[in-house]
Amino acid sequence: EAGVTQSPTHLIKTRGQQATLRCSPISGHTSVYWYQQALGLGLQFLLWYDEGEERNRGNFPPRFSGRQFPNYSSELNVNALELEDSALYLCASSLYYQETQYFGPGTRLLVL
Amino acid sequence: GENVEQHPSTLSVQEGDSAVIKCTYSDSASNYFPWYKQELGKRPQLIIDIRSNVGEKKDQRIAVTLNKTAKHFSLHITETQPEDSAVYFCAASISIGGSQGNLIFGKGTKLSVKP
Repeated sequence: EAGVTQSPTHLIKTRGQQATLRCSPISGHTSVYWYQQALGLGLQFLLWYDEGEERNRGNFPPRFSGRQFPNYSSELNVNALELEDSALYLCASSLYYQETQYFGPGTRLLVL
Repeated sequence: GENVEQHPSTLSVQEGDSAVIKCTYSDSASNYFPWYKQELGKRPQLIIDIRSNVGEKKDQRIAVTLNKTAKHFSLHITETQPEDSAVYFCAASISIGGSQGNLIFGKGTKLSVKP
């Protein structure tokens, strides 16, 4: 069984640009979660999608947005990039009725 | 909203000793508490979890205890080995509408096991 995959692995942008990160969940998983892992700040919850709907949102500004597609893959968009957006962005997936979240390898975003 | 505090931030032990990491949570509605291990440059991996209707769970050298009244839970690693060296994260989540919600993580504990 393939695990959670994310693309790209690395992304370099400049301030003010937009970034798009992608996540493919484990086959059969309908819930997708996005987390930001900035240096020294642990993992912070960004967004949760289930069955195509946004179910919850963390304490991040509206320029962080996303969506979930009919095949349950997901996209995270970050507009008007700021230097402090530099971080590892992790995606996780789970079955809707089970607790365990499985993480992808992450996308490392660097904003210059 | 939920807040999870984790202590200590760093922990150094000798190989063969035990290691204990403690977390507290703020929302009494939280009902699921996983622990993840993250090695350098790798993704977080679930190592053990516990639900709120259980007080203790053990898996070989790893155990987790939960005190719902005090709202704290702990990870215990016995007979530590160098390969246990990693960053460990505790987390909490609440069931929402039949689905388990997003995880709120502690800030992590960097465990170093010295041979």
